[in-house]
Amino acid sequence: GQNIDQPTEMTATEGAIVQINCTYQTSGFNGLFWYQQHAGEAPTFLSYNVLDGLEEKGRFSSFLSRSKGYSYLLLKELQMKDSASYLCAVRGNAGNMLTFGGGTRLMVKP
Amino acid sequence: DAGVTQSPTHLIKTRGQQVTLRCSPKSGHDTVSWYQQALGQGPQFIFQYYEEEERQRGNFPDRFSGHQFPNYSSELNVNALLLGDSALYLCASSEGTSRWGYTFGSGTRLTVV
Repeated sequence: GQNIDQPTEMTATEGAIVQINCTYQTSGFNGLFWYQQHAGEAPTFLSYNVLDGLEEKGRFSSFLSRSKGYSYLLLKELQMKDSASYLCAVRGNAGNMLTFGGGTRLMVKP
Repeated sequence: DAGVTQSPTHLIKTRGQQVTLRCSPKSGHDTVSWYQQALGQGPQFIFQYYEEEERQRGNFPDRFSGHQFPNYSSELNVNALLLGDSALYLCASSEGTSRWGYTFGSGTRLTVV
């Protein structure tokens, strides 16, 4: 089975940097995804890691360590619109099913 | 280019009733997955359809069933509704096993009273 853990809530200040951690225990691994979800809206794709290391995309970066079962999402130059839930999800070896963590609700304050 | 379209957006049903939710995938996508998202939780995988067949199933009872049509659209049916079935139901489409995962629809908010 799969078990994915991430903090429930985080608060950060506009313009700052925040790191959202995700740890996972899986029976198979074929990639880790981060999604952003604003309240009442669809999750939107942020990043994908399948090899160890850092993937950078503008203000967002994601890191993966497969040996440690660990990932983080790094958000720089925080903006008020970054207030949302951030979902960590792992794809196993069979098919395209994603197992999601409970999500981290990020509140950005002025 | 339309993304994933789900209908209806909101629905209220009575305990014991049956409900059908509909999903049209993003153009070019042939695989449809359904997820249930309870308030404040992450999405939980229900099942996935490809080539009109259920390919994978999560830990959901047989009350949850689905269908995929030749045009790749899909339906999710839930029988004998329980209060605990109240959730946001998300449809996600992909082109096979895409590196980029899914494109999600905005969901159907189901309330069982």
